[in-house]
Amino acid sequence: AQTVTQSQPEMSVQEAETVTLSCTYDTSESNYYLFWYKQPPSRQMILVIRQEAYKQQNATENRFSVNFQKAAKSFSLKISDSQLGDTAMYFCAFTPSGGADGLTFGKGTHLIIQP
Amino acid sequence: SAVISQKPSRDICQRGTSLTIQCQVDSQVTMMFWYRQQPGQSLTLIATANQGSEATYESGFVIDKFPISRPNLTFSTLTVSNMSPEDSSIYLCSVGTGTDTQYFGPGTRLTVL
Repeated sequence: AQTVTQSQPEMSVQEAETVTLSCTYDTSESNYYLFWYKQPPSRQMILVIRQEAYKQQNATENRFSVNFQKAAKSFSLKISDSQLGDTAMYFCAFTPSGGADGLTFGKGTHLIIQP
Repeated sequence: SAVISQKPSRDICQRGTSLTIQCQVDSQVTMMFWYRQQPGQSLTLIATANQGSEATYESGFVIDKFPISRPNLTFSTLTVSNMSPEDSSIYLCSVGTGTDTQYFGPGTRLTVL
């Protein structure tokens, strides 16, 4: 079984600042995928970014990037030039490769962007 | 990504009753999943909805409490049976794409009185 740990229950930064959300995981799988999902107050789960474990290169999507350290089992999310609309719960998630398994989620980090 | 809808979006139910939640996708997908999000908590996988066979349940979830149907590749239902206040949660369906990525429906907010 795998576990996903997010150790920051809440973070608050000023608009336009850069913020990093932490995530660690534990698994015995050799190939897997990691994700960051955003859940605003509307409760819709929105995919932010995904990382395939066998890829060395860190994924990036516009202002969002990850620092994937496979040996350390660490998967942090960096948000650059933060915006008010980034205020949401952020969940780190894991799934083994193959597409047949559900996601294992961390407890989430509540990110607040202050004006 | 697929367009996913859920019905109802929210409901308030009396204890002891049952509610069926529908999940509809605009394209055929192989994998569909159901999750529960209790108040202030993260998401927990309830089961994988398999087309043409029984759902596969995670530890702590049983078919008698959460029966699931998957009649075709675009539709699934989750029933919450004999509800109690502890079942008050957001229930979300997700679909798996060929890239191992899951996309979520908008969720159903259930309140049990």
